[in-house]
Amino acid sequence: DGGITQSPKYLFRKEGQNVTLSCEQNLNHDAMYWYRQDPGQGLRLIYYSQIVNDFQKGDIAEGYSVSREKKESFPLTVTSAQKNPTAFYLCASRQHPAGYTFGSGTRLTVV
Amino acid sequence: AQRVTQPEKLLSVFKGAPVELKCNYSYSGSPELFWYVQYSRQRLQLLLRHISRESIKGFTADLNKGETSFHLKKPFAQEEDSAMYYCALNRRLEGGSEKLVFGKGTKLTVNP
Repeated sequence: DGGITQSPKYLFRKEGQNVTLSCEQNLNHDAMYWYRQDPGQGLRLIYYSQIVNDFQKGDIAEGYSVSREKKESFPLTVTSAQKNPTAFYLCASRQHPAGYTFGSGTRLTVV
Repeated sequence: AQRVTQPEKLLSVFKGAPVELKCNYSYSGSPELFWYVQYSRQRLQLLLRHISRESIKGFTADLNKGETSFHLKKPFAQEEDSAMYYCALNRRLEGGSEKLVFGKGTKLTVNP
């Protein structure tokens, strides 16, 4: 079955700690994306990558970092610099002209 | 600026009634628009895209370039249609990259 796998499903972070969210796809898609979903805000783009070893900041990149060492993997690190990290994080991929495919998400909570 | 506006945060209808979820966009160029649906505790799913002009689960959406709208419609709502609906615009960037710009979503509740 082709798709996007995000892990973990739930993640708890202490103040001042960095955490990494995993996103893996076996769709052979070139482009991958990280979105943050907050109630009433819709989905906002954090980072995106069109090809391996290349990525660009989205609209709300501050406090986040990514890497794209392999085509199938696009991990997101939420750093201690992110002031309000509690949110639902969604990973997506796309190979034009198909639509975007989304993972099932990771819910991050700061404790 | 390219953006997507969903004016209704919440929409409530009765089962069997028609439903219309509004979406307006601003984009310089030929837009590529999508509707995504997110059922409770499930992943975001593609409902339809304007270029395929197909009907999914009885929903349709027509692109109106004059009114810059892409409203989602269904003639007879069902309780299982209760979900969060997002309208999204594919924005093409320099260098061939692209990204999806979302509206803030409309929560549809279909009452029995």
